[in-house]
Amino acid sequence: SQKIEQNSEALNIQEGKTATLTCNYTNYSPAYLQWYRQDPGRGPVFLLLIRENEKEKRKERLKVTFDTTLKQSLFQITASQPADSATYLCALVMGNAGNMLTFGGGTRLMVKP
Amino acid sequence: GAGVSQSPRYKVAKRGQDVALRCDPISGHVSLFWYQQALGQGPEFLTYFQNEAQLDKSGLPSDRFFAERPEGSVSTLKIQRTQQEDSAVYLCASSLHPSRPMDTQYFGPGTRLTVL
Repeated sequence: SQKIEQNSEALNIQEGKTATLTCNYTNYSPAYLQWYRQDPGRGPVFLLLIRENEKEKRKERLKVTFDTTLKQSLFQITASQPADSATYLCALVMGNAGNMLTFGGGTRLMVKP
Repeated sequence: GAGVSQSPRYKVAKRGQDVALRCDPISGHVSLFWYQQALGQGPEFLTYFQNEAQLDKSGLPSDRFFAERPEGSVSTLKIQRTQQEDSAVYLCASSLHPSRPMDTQYFGPGTRLTVL
C-alpha cells in the first residue's frame, strides 16, 4: 500500500532562516503532489501543487521540489517568520474516482523570534 | 465568499450512541470528500461524492459509517454505535470540478468527535 513519510519530529528554526521539510513516498508514482498548511483547530489549507514533470515550483517565499526518481519532495520556506509556525502536510493525488488525497503524517514547524 | 462549514464543531458521545456530522461545501462545488484525522496524524480518506453520487467509499472503516449527499450539496456523515476508536477530527473538503487531480480541495474546520 502507499506509504508517505514526513519527519514526525518538530522542526525548530530561528526567524529569518530557511526551513526545509521532507516528504518521501513508496509504492506509487503520483502525477501530482500537494502541500498543505494546518493550524491547530483548523482544516488544512492548500499551498502548492507540483506535477511529476515539474522539478521545482515557487510561490513567494515557498519552494517545492519533486524528484520522482528519489520519490521525494522538499518544501522550503525562506526568510521564515514566527507566523509560519504550523504543521505542514504533503499529499499525493491518488487519481481514483475523484481526486482524493493521501496525506503524510505532517511535520510541525516552529519558528522562534 | 463563504468557505466550507461543518457542524457541530465539537461532539461528545457515549460509546454506543449514534452521531451525525454535517458538512456545507462551497456553493457550486461538485466534489465533496470526507477525511478522518487522528490526533497527531495526517487526514485519511473516507469517502467521495460527485454531486449526489457516492463514487468511492473505500475508506469507510466499517459498516457503522454511512455518508450521504442527497441533493448534491450538504452532506452528512453518520456513525452508528460509536466506539472509542472513532474519536478523531472529521474533515470535510470540497472542490469545484469532478475528477480533476489538479483541483484544490477546500477544507472545513472539522468536527472533533470524542467517544467516552
